[in-house]
Amino acid sequence: AIRMTQSPSSFSASTGDRVTITCRASQGISSYLAWFQQKPGKAPKLLIYAASTLENGVPSRFSGGGSGTDFTLTISCLQSEDFATYYCQQYYNYPYTFGQGTKLEIK
Amino acid sequence: EVQLLESGGTRVQPGGSLRLSCEVSGFTFSSYAMNWVRQAPGKGLEWVSSISGSGGSTYYADSVKGRFTIFRDNSKNTLYLQMDSLRAEDTAVYYCAKDRGSGWYNNIDSWGQGTLVTVSS
Repeated sequence: AIRMTQSPSSFSASTGDRVTITCRASQGISSYLAWFQQKPGKAPKLLIYAASTLENGVPSRFSGGGSGTDFTLTISCLQSEDFATYYCQQYYNYPYTFGQGTKLEIK
Repeated sequence: EVQLLESGGTRVQPGGSLRLSCEVSGFTFSSYAMNWVRQAPGKGLEWVSSISGSGGSTYYADSVKGRFTIFRDNSKNTLYLQMDSLRAEDTAVYYCAKDRGSGWYNNIDSWGQGTLVTVSS
């Protein structure tokens, strides 16, 4: 199975900050990577797919990049509603695998 | 509007069985692959199983292979997960999730609200 490793696992930031989360795949997955946001007690929400395509309705402050094994999720100007846990997921092959999550907390 | 509504989650004893359902609306069900993803309390997301739009192809995580069965009834717009030989480590919120398409290389784009399965004596 392809292992997905996110970094950092958690960190604190302030509103208005620019933050970047990284996700590394244990083998090449082309651009078959998605990013999800999850808030406590809620289902995950799709933010980015195909590594860099913004899902409809997602604010443009979110952006994704990378291909192959190294990927990033960037939030350009943090808003209060962005404090949540973020997951990457590869859909290059089965079994689909998720990163362990990155919890973004308010500083 | 795409809607996914899971049901069937409850408390069950180790070794027991349970069937989860996911009733969908707002899209042509048979045209999309579907998934089950779970999340143990306080833990991350774990993909469990996927099924093609026709139901002819199924895929499982090693952790559930041989114990869980995914299937669908396209005439009823419903996805199922039959869970047998349940273990304590199967305790989780189970989410039904829709793929963007039916073939390979389609990402999950919609999720249900989840249903809680607790395996405990």
